[in-house]
Amino acid sequence: NAGVMQNPRHLVRRRGQEARLRCSPMKGHSHVYWYRQLPEEGLKFMVYLQKENIIDESGMPKERFSAEFPKEGPSILRIQQVVRGDSAAYFCASSPPVGAGEQFFGPGTRLTVL
Amino acid sequence: AQKITQTQPGMFVQEKEAVTLDCTYDTSDPSYGLFWYKQPSSGEMIFLIYQGSYDQQNATEGRYSLNFQKARKSANLVISASQLGDSAMYFCAMREGDRTGANNLFFGTGTRLTVIP
Repeated sequence: NAGVMQNPRHLVRRRGQEARLRCSPMKGHSHVYWYRQLPEEGLKFMVYLQKENIIDESGMPKERFSAEFPKEGPSILRIQQVVRGDSAAYFCASSPPVGAGEQFFGPGTRLTVL
Repeated sequence: AQKITQTQPGMFVQEKEAVTLDCTYDTSDPSYGLFWYKQPSSGEMIFLIYQGSYDQQNATEGRYSLNFQKARKSANLVISASQLGDSAMYFCAMREGDRTGANNLFFGTGTRLTVIP
């Protein structure tokens, strides 16, 4: 049973470009979460999605950031017009529909904005 | 107020000894879950152990145990018989509410554990 998949693992963008980060949850998991980790800090929640629905986006900046989890395909975190402050590790996690709510994390995407 | 507080930025432990990593939490919700994750230098987040607020017994998973003191709002991680491979960052996290509610996790700032041979 494959774990949570994220790609790319590393992404370099210049200021003003768009970044697209992909996440495929574990098989059977219907809940997807995105977190951001700045260097030497803990993870900060951004958005929680179920298939075709955004459940909670309270941690996501209102501008330039968007997320989706379509009926088919991976979840996408999109950052438009990236700035240097967007440089961070972005983690996706998934959890099953039942259970204690433990979240299983992907390996992360390290975004560097030049 | 911080929902999760980890007051130890760094800890050292001798190989084969036990070590306790501190975590305190703040919530007014009677239902919550507490988690510990390990983040080695390679960067991935590895789930270690879970404790529910209504669980009567402390959680254990192999060499990991969670010292849950509800009245003190603490959820310390105990690693027994430390191994060199335990060297990593350790994060405490909390989910507020029961499983059917919003399930985002609040993370602490982490503790960097170094195991000395």
